[in-house]
Amino acid sequence: TQLLEQSPQFLSIQEGENLTVYCNSSSVFSSLQWYRQEPGEGPVLLVTVVTGGEVKKLKRLTFQFGDARKDSSLHITAAQPGDTGLYLCAPNFGNEKLTFGTGTRLTIIP
Amino acid sequence: GAVVSQHPSWVICKSGTSVKIECRSLDFQATTMFWYRQFPKQSLMLMATSNEGSKATYEQGVEKDKFLINHASLTLSTLTVTSAHPEDSSFYICSASRYPGLAYEQFFGPGTRLTVL
Repeated sequence: TQLLEQSPQFLSIQEGENLTVYCNSSSVFSSLQWYRQEPGEGPVLLVTVVTGGEVKKLKRLTFQFGDARKDSSLHITAAQPGDTGLYLCAPNFGNEKLTFGTGTRLTIIP
Repeated sequence: GAVVSQHPSWVICKSGTSVKIECRSLDFQATTMFWYRQFPKQSLMLMATSNEGSKATYEQGVEKDKFLINHASLTLSTLTVTSAHPEDSSFYICSASRYPGLAYEQFFGPGTRLTVL
């Protein structure tokens, strides 16, 4: 059984600040996806990382995949109110199924 | 690309009735479709995995006879909540999977809010 932890569970910061959320597993991932979900909507895929140590940037969002392929982080620079949402990491352990973390509920205060 | 639709977006029904939810991948053929359930303030919980032309695989604790899944084509899967009860009220989300070359990716529908009175 893979244990998956996301931290923090809740984060509320002022507009313009930087933040990092983390995703940690007890098992090695083959790949990992980050999603953002807004209330009443389905999750939207932000990025897929597949290589240990990989770093991907999406505007103000920087995604990192740990060298050991058991962890990942999402860093947001100069957060804006539009970044508010539930951020979900979803590792893949070698098949099509995704295991979702508990999520980080992010609120950006204008 | 990679758009998934769900219909209806919300439904209110009386206890004891059945409700069908459709999930379509609009611009790609999905290798697999998945059905999730999400309670308020919680993460997604996988209910079942659906492949075209075969029986769905249900997660532990999910009643097969209550949540009927039909996967008629590579672009359409349906979830029928049979004899719905208030405790079945939830946000149901489907996803469709594809493999662009490096890893499987799931694309989600907008969800269906089910309220059972």
